[in-house]
Amino acid sequence: GAVVSQHPSWVICKSGTSVKIECRSLDFQATTMFWYRQFPKQSLMLMATSNEGSKATYEQGVEKDKFLINHASLTLSTLTVTSAHPEDSSFYICSATPSDRAYEQYFGPGTRLTVT
Amino acid sequence: RKEVEQDPGPFNVPEGATVAFNCTYSNSASQSFFWYRQDCRKEPKLLMSVYSSGNEDGRFTAQLNRASQYISLLIRDSKLSDSATYLCVVRAGNNRKLIWGLGTSLAVNP
Repeated sequence: GAVVSQHPSWVICKSGTSVKIECRSLDFQATTMFWYRQFPKQSLMLMATSNEGSKATYEQGVEKDKFLINHASLTLSTLTVTSAHPEDSSFYICSATPSDRAYEQYFGPGTRLTVT
Repeated sequence: RKEVEQDPGPFNVPEGATVAFNCTYSNSASQSFFWYRQDCRKEPKLLMSVYSSGNEDGRFTAQLNRASQYISLLIRDSKLSDSATYLCVVRAGNNRKLIWGLGTSLAVNP
């Protein structure tokens, strides 16, 4: 149990285009999902906390207009990187917290984004 | 000072060796502590939670020293498959947000 999927697993896009990444909890409901970014040889950096049915909470320094987060259901959150640039190339990972187990987090397999 | 600090390594050890990783955290209100393992280009996976009394899971032993704000992970009888980056993770109080260390890289050599 407690499986989280992400789609796509990798994506290459041109500079200026937008990319949507999906995070799904497959066998549990998640009121809270987290979006992380990880650059090579660096640790995970929390970008935002996504709560079902409400606006995401962004970490300091993360542009909410560039990284659009939607958490419209208890099993799906999406991250859209708008007008992507090469410096947005990174490994994006989501995690989900079960509604009935508030302090557990389960990670998706990550999405590798390359912007050319 | 970083909220969670780890020695990045790399640690290169032979198979069968015992290796220890340390981690310090700055927020004295931190209440939950974890070690995660991350393989190259993969998501992190929970290795073990760290409890105040210390805990063991097979070849892995985790310890917490709240007074010194220090967490450790000991790996005995290292296997080649233990090669990975080990991440120290802390949660403060009722906050669900996890604070991640940069990780310690371990390479176990034949």
